[in-house]
Amino acid sequence: QLQLQESGSGLVKPSQTLSLTCAVSGDSISSGGYSWSWIRQPPGKGLEWIGYIYQSGSAYFNPSLERRVTMSVDRSKNQFSLRLTSVTAADSAVYFCARGKLYYYDSGAYYFDYWGRGTLVTVSS
Amino acid sequence: DIQLTQSPSFLSASVGDRVTITCRASQGISSFLAWYQQKPGKAPKLLIYAASTLQSGVPSRFSGSGSGTEFTLTISSLQPEDFATYYCQQLNRNPSITFGQGSRLDIK
Repeated sequence: QLQLQESGSGLVKPSQTLSLTCAVSGDSISSGGYSWSWIRQPPGKGLEWIGYIYQSGSAYFNPSLERRVTMSVDRSKNQFSLRLTSVTAADSAVYFCARGKLYYYDSGAYYFDYWGRGTLVTVSS
Repeated sequence: DIQLTQSPSFLSASVGDRVTITCRASQGISSFLAWYQQKPGKAPKLLIYAASTLQSGVPSRFSGSGSGTEFTLTISSLQPEDFATYYCQQLNRNPSITFGQGSRLDIK
């Protein structure tokens, strides 16, 4: 059974960088046909896709965040990571990592079949 | 971005009721749509993908239909564990994967 577990800084000061890691267990992050996403949810609000990365290291980001987002993958540790720079209070949210399963070959379309439990990140001085 | 608008945003129903939630896309997305259930303090759970394909392990009282710009999620006979918030998601990254605003289902 695939499991994902987020970890990282729970409190970040404004203008600083948010860093999170998602550890994957139960399968290799190098398995084909999947992407590895970050999705966030401000308290009491809806879901926002941040971006995803492939095991190759290529990544796609939400255009509204792409100037501040980087993602990386560490196949040796079976984990992937998120960095979000210049954070403000609007970046306070529960951050989920999730596996994206390909809808069909070469579609570039993914649905999220496994999720981590989420980790709350608060931006405050 | 492709906008997804869910209706209703809030609904209350009783155990045993049939419930339908609608998701409308701002442009055609074929069948590139998924539905999720989220309970308080938990991660979303995949219910349906490709607009109408039931995820493994999801009870058959859940069903999805639609294509293009209008989609529905139907729960045929509500069970106590179904009271939650439901989200639709369009699957294509171009230009961005997006979610509906959510539909909260409460007990009447």
